[in-house]
Amino acid sequence: GENVEQHPSTLSVQEGDSAVIKCTYSDSASNYFPWYKQELGKRPQLIIDIRSNVGEKKDQRIAVTLNKTAKHFSLHITETQPEDSAVYFCAASLFGNEKLTFGTGTRLTIIP
Amino acid sequence: ETGVTQSPTHLIKTRGQQVTLRCSSQSGHNTVSWYQQALGQGPQFIFQYYREEENGRGNFPPRFSGLQFPNYSSELNVNALELDDSALYLCASSLLAAQGTDTQYFGPGTRLTVL
Repeated sequence: GENVEQHPSTLSVQEGDSAVIKCTYSDSASNYFPWYKQELGKRPQLIIDIRSNVGEKKDQRIAVTLNKTAKHFSLHITETQPEDSAVYFCAASLFGNEKLTFGTGTRLTIIP
Repeated sequence: ETGVTQSPTHLIKTRGQQVTLRCSSQSGHNTVSWYQQALGQGPQFIFQYYREEENGRGNFPPRFSGLQFPNYSSELNVNALELDDSALYLCASSLLAAQGTDTQYFGPGTRLTVL
């Protein structure tokens, strides 16, 4: 089955700097790669997703890149703000409505 | 916020007991997936329900079972509770349609503690 690895497990950046979180996946059949943000005690919230027919997607300060050949994808957050502090999870699935396999999470701390 | 709701928010049970958790899917969605999230870990897929039938299952024993109702809401039942079942249980709803794919949106979760 699919296996998703995520790095780093913790990340601290100065406010205003950029943050990058990387994930690799094992199943070349996977086509859908979402990123979720989870604040303490709250639900995972979808922040951006990308499908295999696209190499990059951007939404304001957040971007995701996908390299299908290398089987890795990354989350980029620019101009970080204190409210970006949370745990971020990457995930992979065949299609968006099928089983999601999650990474182990990255705890992002923005230092004011 | 998504339109996915779950009840109860918190639950405390003892080993050996049984528990039922409930999920109401977002309007327009026909599929519900359940995930278990242990402390400090990513969510793990338990199973998915579509048209009132199980439509995929993760590596969870048969004492984890579910139902989906005609209004697409769903229940997760866990029998013979064990200490390791203590976790946040999340449901996610999505639309399974022939013409394409859709995203899963999570509910707020039920925090289950087994003593």
